[in-house]
Amino acid sequence: QQQVKQSPQSLIVQKGGIPIINCAYENTAFDYFPWYQQFPGKGPALLIAIRPDVSEKKEGRFTISFNKSAKQFSLHIMDSQPGDSATYFCAASADQGGKLIFGQGTELSVKP
Amino acid sequence: NAGVTQTPKFRVLKTGQSMTLLCAQDMNHEYMYWYRQDPGMGLRLIHYSVGEGTTAKGEVPDGYNVSRLKKQNFLLGLESAAPSQTSVYFCASSYSTSGIHSNEQFFGPGTRLTVL
Repeated sequence: QQQVKQSPQSLIVQKGGIPIINCAYENTAFDYFPWYQQFPGKGPALLIAIRPDVSEKKEGRFTISFNKSAKQFSLHIMDSQPGDSATYFCAASADQGGKLIFGQGTELSVKP
Repeated sequence: NAGVTQTPKFRVLKTGQSMTLLCAQDMNHEYMYWYRQDPGMGLRLIHYSVGEGTTAKGEVPDGYNVSRLKKQNFLLGLESAAPSQTSVYFCASSYSTSGIHSNEQFFGPGTRLTVL
């Protein structure tokens, strides 16, 4: 049973565009929502994370928007660059042993 | 700091063979995890450990065993490999579960396993 659903599966944008990746979760006990970035042949690396006590968090060109009532959160990448081309995973955790439940991933391609 | 390292990087097995994947971390992290990554499935937790000498099952534990005899090492074993275990395996570690980034997991570079 997939507890975190991510969409779209793939996304192509032009340089400077604002790709948006969405995730929805079911378990209301989740209280930590990170986004991981993965380049080909590498392991995932933490990009940005949010706790449910805030509705938005921004770090550089990356922003998480969080809607607790809808049980949804999304990643926005401002002024996207070809170097942002990677696979992005959302995840959620209920702090039980730090286990993360990952979404299916979104393959982003930013065209020059 | 090497961070999280995994050996081997690639391996090809025949059905029924066994092997052990080794994960090592030099960050003195308490928690360690094994995931498998398959296309369109994201990362799925196989087993994890919250400290030396402890292990617990994750989402997809069948066909795998683990051991955490030393704090810095976490071993993943396949006793009798099956083609369904063809995947990329990632190890990760984290420190604790308090604070905004306490859940941050640091991943190794992965092991690509093919079972024929």
